[in-house]
Amino acid sequence: EVHLVESGGGFVLPGRSLRLSCTTSGFTFRDHSLSWVRQAPGKGLEWIGFITNKASGGTITYAASVKGRFFLSRDDSKSIAYLQMNSLQPEDTGVYYCARDLGTAGPYYFDGWGQGTRVTVSS
Amino acid sequence: SSELTQDPAVSVALGQTVTITCQGDSLKKYYAGWHQQKPGQAPVVVFYGKDNRPSGIPERFSGFGSGPTASLTITGAQAEDEADYYCSSRDTTGNLLLFGGGTRLTVL
Repeated sequence: EVHLVESGGGFVLPGRSLRLSCTTSGFTFRDHSLSWVRQAPGKGLEWIGFITNKASGGTITYAASVKGRFFLSRDDSKSIAYLQMNSLQPEDTGVYYCARDLGTAGPYYFDGWGQGTRVTVSS
Repeated sequence: SSELTQDPAVSVALGQTVTITCQGDSLKKYYAGWHQQKPGQAPVVVFYGKDNRPSGIPERFSGFGSGPTASLTITGAQAEDEADYYCSSRDTTGNLLLFGGGTRLTVL
């Protein structure tokens, strides 16, 4: 069974950084891509980034809203994906999810979500 | 365009059939994914692509795509189906992912 668990969320001051982790199990991590999605309080889902596996070229893409501030990476030896978030602003507040993505060249379909980790950016 | 449009709210009587729709130019080229989210919970994929239903999702959930419109049909809606439903698809460039604004389904 595909299992994803996000961690690393918390309360952070504007302008600071935070790194989220997505720890996975139940599948061969190195063979799969991942997407990250966030949800602001009371709002809908917003896709923020995608990272494919090395065999597919290691493609990483970002939504315009986070490009240049957020960075995705992965450690295949640990089956963990990371979301490094820099220069955080109050509008980055929300629940952050990772999802297993069936796309290879770009984000496509998900077939599993994590339970999410909450990030609050406030002074 | 680079957006997916959903009706904000839909209701259905218990046991009846309901269809939730999603419209966008990118759907002329790509199939949609559908995600169910209950209050306070993470989303769950209920259907994706042309004809894929993840393991554990009841057969009453089915998807269809035609031109710029994708739809999710629940045949014989149950009380536990009351939730927000989001569609997703690649944008027209194929490089980014879009989500619809979500449809709140009420089961009466």
